[in-house]
Amino acid sequence: EIVLTQSPGTLSLSPGERATLSCRASQSVSSSYLAWYQQKPGQAPRLLISGASSRATGIPDRFSGSGSGTDFTLTISRLEPEDFAVYYCQQYGSSPHTFGQGTKVEIK
Amino acid sequence: QVQLQESGPGLVKPSQTLSLTCTVSGDSIRSGDYYWSWIRQPPGKGLEWIGYIYYSGSTYYNPSLKSRVTISVDTSKNQFSLKLSSVTAADTAVYYCAKGGYYFDYWGQGTLVTVSS
Repeated sequence: EIVLTQSPGTLSLSPGERATLSCRASQSVSSSYLAWYQQKPGQAPRLLISGASSRATGIPDRFSGSGSGTDFTLTISRLEPEDFAVYYCQQYGSSPHTFGQGTKVEIK
Repeated sequence: QVQLQESGPGLVKPSQTLSLTCTVSGDSIRSGDYYWSWIRQPPGKGLEWIGYIYYSGSTYYNPSLKSRVTISVDTSKNQFSLKLSSVTAADTAVYYCAKGGYYFDYWGQGTLVTVSS
């Protein structure tokens, strides 16, 4: 099973700042089969990125994903008030599909 | 617009079987374009993929739960279902159904299932 470790656990930033979230895999994720999700309290996760870098339908271009192998990054170029949430990475290159433990982006 | 809605009991006794149904609207499970999944999230914790099903009935389960999980599909009702047997308090979670078998682009709102006597 591939273990995904997200860092940092919590990121304290102000609106307008840049957020950089890391997701590191215990083994190489084949074909960059990595997704990112945003989850707000009391809501289901929302798909942001698949294939490591492809934005899902309707996702603003301030969200971008990059990386390959074992190291992946989600970048939010300029934080909007609605971006403060928990973010999860997920690999689907091997079974079982696994999620990271999450990074909380909070208002500083 | 695809919508998914979970339904089922919110309270299950230990050792019993948890049963949930997901009703899909805005898309047809029978189209065969996608897999359909169940995912869970214990309160205050992260996400765990449970398994997926194809319209034909073929399934794939998380090995950690495989011995206790059954996912089935009813294409006539555009629904798929989850059964988890021999539940314990560790199975208390919000259970989500989702479209997709690899990444998940549409999710239900989730339903909290508590295991308690």
